[in-house]
Amino acid sequence: DIMMTQSPDSLAVSLGERATINCKSSQSVLYSSNKKNYLAWFQQKPGQPPKLLFYWASARESGVPDRFSGSGSGTDFTLTISSLQAEDVAVYYCQQYYTTPYTFGQGTKLEV
Amino acid sequence: QVQLQESGPGLVKPSETLSLTCTVSGGSIRNDYWSWIRQPPGKGLEWIGHIFYSGSTNYNPSLKSRVALSVDTSKNQFSLKLSSVTAADTAVYFCARVYSYGGFDPWGQGTLVTVSS
Repeated sequence: DIMMTQSPDSLAVSLGERATINCKSSQSVLYSSNKKNYLAWFQQKPGQPPKLLFYWASARESGVPDRFSGSGSGTDFTLTISSLQAEDVAVYYCQQYYTTPYTFGQGTKLEV
Repeated sequence: QVQLQESGPGLVKPSETLSLTCTVSGGSIRNDYWSWIRQPPGKGLEWIGHIFYSGSTNYNPSLKSRVALSVDTSKNQFSLKLSSVTAADTAVYFCARVYSYGGFDPWGQGTLVTVSS
């Protein structure tokens, strides 16, 4: 199985400041034939299902505010919120879909 | 737009079989892969498996011996059976569409299943 490790486990950021969450995979999730990274990011608020934010590591899902950005390649990835808003408080997960079993990071709890 | 809704018992006894159904509305169950994902209370996400509308399946090896997914295209539903459950299977169970570009979208609201006598 590909292990996904996020850092930090929790993060407190002031409103308007930048938040950065890291995700590392135990093996590359970059598919050589199409040069795409098979990595997704999700946001989960209490009592709600996860919401897809990014696929292909950096492709923003429709409706996701542009203060959110995804970057990285191979085994190292980053989710950045450029200016934290109160509604961004949530747990964030990365997930690889390079191979089954699909696996998630342990989650990063983002607080104000 | 496509919406998913889980249904099934919220309480299952140890050693029995957990059975859940996901109803897809706003679109056809054909042409996509459909997954089950679970989340123990206060913990992270675990992919259980997925099924194509044709019935082909892919299971997480950690659960493979106890899991069976099925699909009913006439009802636009797919189902999960997890046998020989223990307290460790207590979780919120989500159904979700495997997004064509990757990840899962949309998700059902999730249903809490507690394993207890």
